[in-house]
Amino acid sequence: DQQVKQNSPSLSVQEGRISILNCDYTNSMFDYFLWYKKYPAEGPTFLISISSIKDKNEDGRFTVFLNKSAKHLSLHIVPSQPGDSAVYFCAALSNTGKLIFGQGTTLQVKP
Amino acid sequence: DVKVTQSSRYLVKRTGEKVFLECVQDMDHENMFWYRQDPGLGLRLIYFSYDVKMKEKGDIPEGYSVSREKKERFSLILESASTNQTSMYLCASSPGISYEQYFGPGTRLTVT
Repeated sequence: DQQVKQNSPSLSVQEGRISILNCDYTNSMFDYFLWYKKYPAEGPTFLISISSIKDKNEDGRFTVFLNKSAKHLSLHIVPSQPGDSAVYFCAALSNTGKLIFGQGTTLQVKP
Repeated sequence: DVKVTQSSRYLVKRTGEKVFLECVQDMDHENMFWYRQDPGLGLRLIYFSYDVKMKEKGDIPEGYSVSREKKERFSLILESASTNQTSMYLCASSPGISYEQYFGPGTRLTVT
């Protein structure tokens, strides 16, 4: 039973345009969410997070939006750059300190 | 700067062999985790540890065991490797329950 879902396995975007990566979750008790970025042959690196007391968090080109009623979050990257090409994982933090990951979305930013 | 290192980047083992994957973190983090990453399945938690000599099962512990004798080191053990354990194995650490996790570079294990 997948508690965190990323329904789009891949996304292709032109350089300079906006990338929107989506994530849905089923457990309304989740109250902290994170996005990780992973390049091939490297471990995931933390990108941005959001607490359920907020509906938006911004860090440079990266913004995460949280819609608690829809149990949905999204990561916006604007403008997208070729170096952003990677696999993006969303994750929810459980109350036991476990991260529950989605399946990942592979983003390709074309020059 | 947090550093999590894993003993091997690539490993090839035969079915039935005992396999040890080592992970070391240098930031005195209490929590350590082992995941495997498979295409279309994301990262799945195998085992985690909140303290030395403590371990908790994750979502897919079958076929694996762990050891944490020192705070900085967390080992994943495949008692008898099988082909369905071919995967990317990722170790992570965090300073507390409410903090993001820091990942090592991963070990690509192939079991033939």
